[in-house]
Amino acid sequence: DGGITQSPKYLFRKEGQNVTLSCEQNLNHDAMYWYRQDPGQGLRLIYYSQIVNDFQKGDIAEGYSVSREKKESFPLTVTSAQKNPTAFYLCASRTGGAGLGYGYTFGSGTRLTVV
Amino acid sequence: KNEVEQSPQNLTAQEGEFITINCSYSVGISALHWLQQHPGGGIVSLFMLSSGKKKHGRLIATINIQEKHSSLHITASHPRDSAVYICAVRSVNQGAQKLVFGQGTRLTINP
Repeated sequence: DGGITQSPKYLFRKEGQNVTLSCEQNLNHDAMYWYRQDPGQGLRLIYYSQIVNDFQKGDIAEGYSVSREKKESFPLTVTSAQKNPTAFYLCASRTGGAGLGYGYTFGSGTRLTVV
Repeated sequence: KNEVEQSPQNLTAQEGEFITINCSYSVGISALHWLQQHPGGGIVSLFMLSSGKKKHGRLIATINIQEKHSSLHITASHPRDSAVYICAVRSVNQGAQKLVFGQGTRLTINP
């Protein structure tokens, strides 16, 4: 079945270390997104990519980096510059276009804890 | 003030009750999404609305574009409906079709 795979589900890292979160989709979707979720807050957009080799900063991009070398993959690196990296991270992809409606598919998330 | 506000933030009900979750937004939108997030964290898309009403099983979603308001209803609620329900809107000003999310409503259905 098609979907989005995020790995790992839980991740622990020491403060000051960079860490990369994986997001893979086999839906043939062009657009992919990374969101951060904190308790009591709505999801906030970190980065998004509408096409291979192109990506744009979202609302809270500082301390994060991404790449989009393949259509299927959109990894997120949480760098040591991110001041408060402990959070739940969700990857999503989008299909469709004008007149068809936009359908979103979400991954199961990665819970990152920095100690 | 957030662009998307949900109410209530928390809702506890008994099995079988009719549930209503509300979503109000302050921006012009091209569509509104209702999402369900289970305790493990994964999110499932329930509905995408641009007008009127949609129904899927025991779930009903309505939207009033003039009043900038949407509701999600659950009939004959069941403990397996316990989850966080999230409203998200697609603003007409967002060229990349980005979503703006509400903070979620945590629903608990007791047997």
